[in-house]
Amino acid sequence: DGGITQSPKYLFRKEGQNVTLSCEQNLNHDAMYWYRQDPGQGLRLIYYSQIVNDFQKGDIAEGYSVSREKKESFPLTVTSAQKNPTAFYLCASSISGQGGEQFFGPGTRLTVL
Amino acid sequence: AQSVTQLGSHVSVSEGALVLLRCNYSSSVPPYLFWYVQYPNQGLQLLLKYTTGATLVKGINGFEAEFKKSETSFHLTKPSAHMSDAAEYFCAVGYYGGSQGNLIFGKGTKLSVKP
Repeated sequence: DGGITQSPKYLFRKEGQNVTLSCEQNLNHDAMYWYRQDPGQGLRLIYYSQIVNDFQKGDIAEGYSVSREKKESFPLTVTSAQKNPTAFYLCASSISGQGGEQFFGPGTRLTVL
Repeated sequence: AQSVTQLGSHVSVSEGALVLLRCNYSSSVPPYLFWYVQYPNQGLQLLLKYTTGATLVKGINGFEAEFKKSETSFHLTKPSAHMSDAAEYFCAVGYYGGSQGNLIFGKGTKLSVKP
């Protein structure tokens, strides 16, 4: 079955530590996205990539980093510079970055202890 | 800048009652329009979408939405609510050739269904 996988489902981190969230898709989509979700704030775009080896900052990129070395993978690193990283993180993909439907993974809930 | 407004962060209906979730967008070009549903601790699932053609769009689970260009609206309806409809619903707008990740999401409306 085609789809998007995110791992782990739940992640705990100590303050000051970097942590990497995994996102893999087998839909052969060109574009991939990372969103952060907090209660009452909807989805906020962190980073997106429309093609391998290229990515752009979204609205809240500070304290995050990404890479896009393979078409199917778009990992997100939450660095110690992110002041309030506890949130639900969603990865998505679309056929192209041209306004079409996005397909979402199941999400990763990150808690900073 | 383009934006999406969902009127009402919480909506409560009785089981069997009409569901109406409102979405308005700002746009200077023809948009693509989407409704997504999210159950607790899960990702977003597409309910329905409008790209071109018929302005009344039918989706999964008995939901439908109508694109009204003159009102810049894309409200989501369901004639009879079911307990399983309790979830959070997000309206989104996209533009061909748009930047910033190409979809702009509203802040969501949480739907509660009372027995």
